[in-house]
Amino acid sequence: AQKVTQAQTEISVVEKEDVTLDCVYETRDTTYYLFWYKQPPSGELVFLIRRNSFDEQNEISGRYSWNFQKSTSSFNFTITASQVVDSAVYFCALSEDRYSSASKIIFGSGTRLSIRP
Amino acid sequence: DAGITQSPRHKVTETGTPVTLRCHQTENHRYMYWYRQDPGHGLRLIHYSYGVKDTDKGEVSDGYSVSRSKTEDFLLTLESATSSQTSVYFCAISEGHGGTDTQYFGPGTRLTVL
Repeated sequence: AQKVTQAQTEISVVEKEDVTLDCVYETRDTTYYLFWYKQPPSGELVFLIRRNSFDEQNEISGRYSWNFQKSTSSFNFTITASQVVDSAVYFCALSEDRYSSASKIIFGSGTRLSIRP
Repeated sequence: DAGITQSPRHKVTETGTPVTLRCHQTENHRYMYWYRQDPGHGLRLIHYSYGVKDTDKGEVSDGYSVSRSKTEDFLLTLESATSSQTSVYFCAISEGHGGTDTQYFGPGTRLTVL
């Protein structure tokens, strides 16, 4: 069955520390997509990244980086030199390529990240 | 930013009353979705649409219905609201199909059923 697990419910770090958010997924398919979304205190959902199952290269975007490892079914997200503005709930999500009529995304339960000044 | 609006943004209603939430997009995307967000559950899909008058159920569709008479509008109706439907509702859109395209979300509607 399709499942996304974010075992870290809440994380709190001091500003400028590096922090990694874990995401473990389960799927029967060989073709799938992984996503990360950010939900700041204002409530909107902001798309951060999409990665397909055939591309295991790590991705870096400024202070954000993502480590995709198919061997461990993980897609972890690291924020380097964290800032207070990074405080948010972060969701990892999985979409399988089996659905021909729409893209159904399964979300993890989220990790609440608090950055203390 | 994707052109997605939701109305109303906040609503308080009483058990047993009908409620309709509206999602409007200006992107002309084919696919639209309704999710609910509850603590500890992330987002769960209620219904989705893959074209005008083409809709299908998601994982938590009981007690909800949807309609899509125009490409730009996707309505979610609670025929008889219950307290368990108190939640934050998000609409999303995606351009393509196939279980892979990125979904972009609206600002959300906070619904309280007393």
